[in-house]
Amino acid sequence: ILNVEQSPQSLHVQEGDSTNFTCSFPSSNFYALHWYRWETAKSPEALFVMTLNGDEKKKGRISATLNTKEGYSYLYIKGSQPEDSATYLCAFSNFNKFYFGSGTKLNVKP
Amino acid sequence: ETGVTQTPRHLVMGMTNKKSLKCEQHLGHNAMYWYKQSAKKPLELMFVYSLEERVENNSVPSRFSPECPNSSHLFLHLHTLQPEDSALYLCASSQGTGTAIYNEQFFGPGTRLTVL
Repeated sequence: ILNVEQSPQSLHVQEGDSTNFTCSFPSSNFYALHWYRWETAKSPEALFVMTLNGDEKKKGRISATLNTKEGYSYLYIKGSQPEDSATYLCAFSNFNKFYFGSGTKLNVKP
Repeated sequence: ETGVTQTPRHLVMGMTNKKSLKCEQHLGHNAMYWYKQSAKKPLELMFVYSLEERVENNSVPSRFSPECPNSSHLFLHLHTLQPEDSALYLCASSQGTGTAIYNEQFFGPGTRLTVL
């Protein structure tokens, strides 16, 4: 089993704060790194899939970066809103395995 | 119906029962997946079907038996389960073939399974 570590486990911020989370993964045999948002009582929703070292992706106020050589990805949320409250999951894919991290649970207070 | 649907949404079964979970995707995708989420554990990939052929089986006990009759439907047949199999079972689909998962996955709402 490969280790995909996410930190922090949980985060409480005020509306308007910017925040970021980390996903660490094995740097060998890298194929893709996925980020998903999972709101309570809903299905996980894809945010980004990144495959190239140095990739940066953006969707609205959310962006992500990827460093495959050192095995980490950052997810940034600018100006957090209460609707951003969710668990953010990363998942690592090598040539024949796919592993999710335990997630970072974000709570944005109005 | 749009997206990925799963039935039933909730299931309670005894250890001697046989039941099936159903997943249907309306997205035209060619890969489908079963995941398990147990309490306080990460999502675990159980099975991957690509072009209706099983390409991944992550050492899942034989009491879980998947079936993919066509690219839109995926079943998980359950028999003689244990209480520790109680979990949320999620289905997902994506475009793509092979074992490496490059494309974003679209998830269903899940089936909450309780084994008594």
